[in-house]
Amino acid sequence: AQKITQTQPGMFVQEKEAVTLDCTYDTSDPSYGLFWYKQPSSGEMIFLIYQGSYDQQNATEGRYSLNFQKARKSANLVISASQLGDSAMYFCAMREPDNYGQNFVFGPGTRLSVLP
Amino acid sequence: NAGVTQTPKFQVLKTGQSMTLQCAQDMNHEYMSWYRQDPGMGLRLIHYSVGAGITDQGEVPNGYNVSRSTTEDFPLRLLSAAPSQTSVYFCASSPLSSGAPQETQYFGPGTRLLVL
Repeated sequence: AQKITQTQPGMFVQEKEAVTLDCTYDTSDPSYGLFWYKQPSSGEMIFLIYQGSYDQQNATEGRYSLNFQKARKSANLVISASQLGDSAMYFCAMREPDNYGQNFVFGPGTRLSVLP
Repeated sequence: NAGVTQTPKFQVLKTGQSMTLQCAQDMNHEYMSWYRQDPGMGLRLIHYSVGAGITDQGEVPNGYNVSRSTTEDFPLRLLSAAPSQTSVYFCASSPLSSGAPQETQYFGPGTRLLVL
């Protein structure tokens, strides 16, 4: 069963505007971690932001913030003031509380295109 | 500090050939993993290891073998390549999460594999 859903295969945003990338997840464990990664056309995976299931506040890292709605099991990434360099694939991932608390499950990704 | 390195960057194989994708990390991380990335499917876990001598299967292990004889190295072996194994392969490492659940995985640059 798919545990991470990203319903937007592709998104467009105008430069300098804000954009929200959706992510919903499925787990029955109360302890988990949610991550967002950026993959530019060069291919590397870049860590952006983390949200723990017990964190009381939404995570923020510079222009990135996470809109965490635990009851709805959603962890949407908000990018403010989009830049041309934000054009990339974005992946939502969940760290599963398995035997070692290590394994990640990734969503299918959203391709963001920032328009000048 | 090179982080996570992968070789080769690109490889073409014929169906039935075997090869080993190399992965090494110099951060003394206990946890290492292999993912494959296919369009529309995000990253899927192939195998992982939580320390030297300890490996386990992920979501898509068939057709792949791994071993972990040292902390630094985690090679992925394709025993008899098939066109369905055409993909981009990422190796990742991290410290075990028990003390730092917010710790991301650190990804290598990827290996692009084409099986004809």
